[in-house]
Amino acid sequence: QKEVEQNSGPLSVPEGAIASLNCTYSDRVSQSFFWYRQYSGKSPELIMSIYSNGDKEDGRFTAQLNKASQYVSLLIRDSQPSDSATYLCAVKGSTLTFGKGTMLLVSP
Amino acid sequence: NAGVMQNPRHLVRRRGQEARLRCSPMKGHSHVYWYRQLPEEGLKFMVYLQKENIIDESGMPKERFSAEFPKEGPSILRIQQVVRGDSAAYFCASSTGGADNEQFFGPGTRLTVL
Repeated sequence: QKEVEQNSGPLSVPEGAIASLNCTYSDRVSQSFFWYRQYSGKSPELIMSIYSNGDKEDGRFTAQLNKASQYVSLLIRDSQPSDSATYLCAVKGSTLTFGKGTMLLVSP
Repeated sequence: NAGVMQNPRHLVRRRGQEARLRCSPMKGHSHVYWYRQLPEEGLKFMVYLQKENIIDESGMPKERFSAEFPKEGPSILRIQQVVRGDSAAYFCASSTGGADNEQFFGPGTRLTVL
């Protein structure tokens, strides 16, 4: 059974802080990793993809991948109240497997 | 609008009726994926289709559920004889099918079974 684990949260951070979201996965052969943001009642929105070990930065977002530890994370710098959402980690094996998501709350 | 389109956005059915959910992929995409999201649950993969072919249906319930992606027209997820447990949000995603496999989601169909 391929699993993707995330802390359900909520993770509460003040505006302007760094939010750190973590994800572990069980399938060692996974090659592609994604972070989606989902606002309540809306559909998932792709915000980051990462395929090789190390860091990948895009604006205020940084994805980090460590395949040896089967660990992927998302850092959000200068967090804004509009970042408040559920963040879904997804791992590509034969299909895309999603974690249940971490709820992020950014307080003004 | 070049994004993934789904309709209807909301669908109400009584137990025993049929539900048909439609998905038109993003322009330039030929790969379609269906997911189901139950309250407080994660997104669960159901089926992966290309034009006229089912590639992977490992997440589809064995009974009552079927999917197609005809040569012309949208992909359709069909649920026969719906039960209350089928109430969920059903999302469609599409991709180019390339190695990166970035999938982009439609707005979803919220199915309520009375």
